[in-house]
Amino acid sequence: AQKVTQAQTEISVVEKEDVTLDCVYETRDTTYYLFWYKQPPSGELVFLIRRNSFDEQNEISGRYSWNFQKSTSSFNFTITASQVVDSAVYFCALFPGNQFYFGTGTSLTVIP
Amino acid sequence: ETGVTQSPTHLIKTRGQQVTLRCSSQSGHNTVSWYQQALGQGPQFIFQYYREEENGRGNFPPRFSGLQFPNYSSELNVNALELDDSALYLCASSLGPDSTGVNEQFFGPGTRLTVL
Repeated sequence: AQKVTQAQTEISVVEKEDVTLDCVYETRDTTYYLFWYKQPPSGELVFLIRRNSFDEQNEISGRYSWNFQKSTSSFNFTITASQVVDSAVYFCALFPGNQFYFGTGTSLTVIP
Repeated sequence: ETGVTQSPTHLIKTRGQQVTLRCSSQSGHNTVSWYQQALGQGPQFIFQYYREEENGRGNFPPRFSGLQFPNYSSELNVNALELDDSALYLCASSLGPDSTGVNEQFFGPGTRLTVL
């Protein structure tokens, strides 16, 4: 079975704080991709980052970084020095090759 | 390169009616997938069309049907609308399963359907 769990329903942080969004996934596939998307109130899914199952190297891209740990099936996403414009719903998604499996999303509010 | 477009942006229907949503795929893509996103939920896979044939379906009843045209654009049709069909409908285009690589899906802006 394919499943993505985002246990954090809502998070509020004060501007400039760092925030980590948690994601745990389940899959029996050996090859898959993990994504983070941002969904502002307008509704469009905005691609943030992608990682394939063979690459556990964690990276930083601007204010975004991620921590992929295959041993715990986790793919956590961190925003450094949060800004008000980061307020949105964030979705973690598993892509084994044919379709996306999304989590239920984490609503992030950044308070000025 | 043209991105994924969807029409209409918003739609209001009444229970029992039928609705057709449209999606134009990104240039060069021959596969379209449709997702339903209910309020407060993540998108759920409805089905995928590849070269005008259905290529995978999620847990949705037959009243959800689709078409793909020779230019790879696609329609999602929903018959006998129910209140629970109110949602954001997203389409995503990609290269087909016969191509190499991850076949990443690129999402359109969505159509927000309200059923009264």
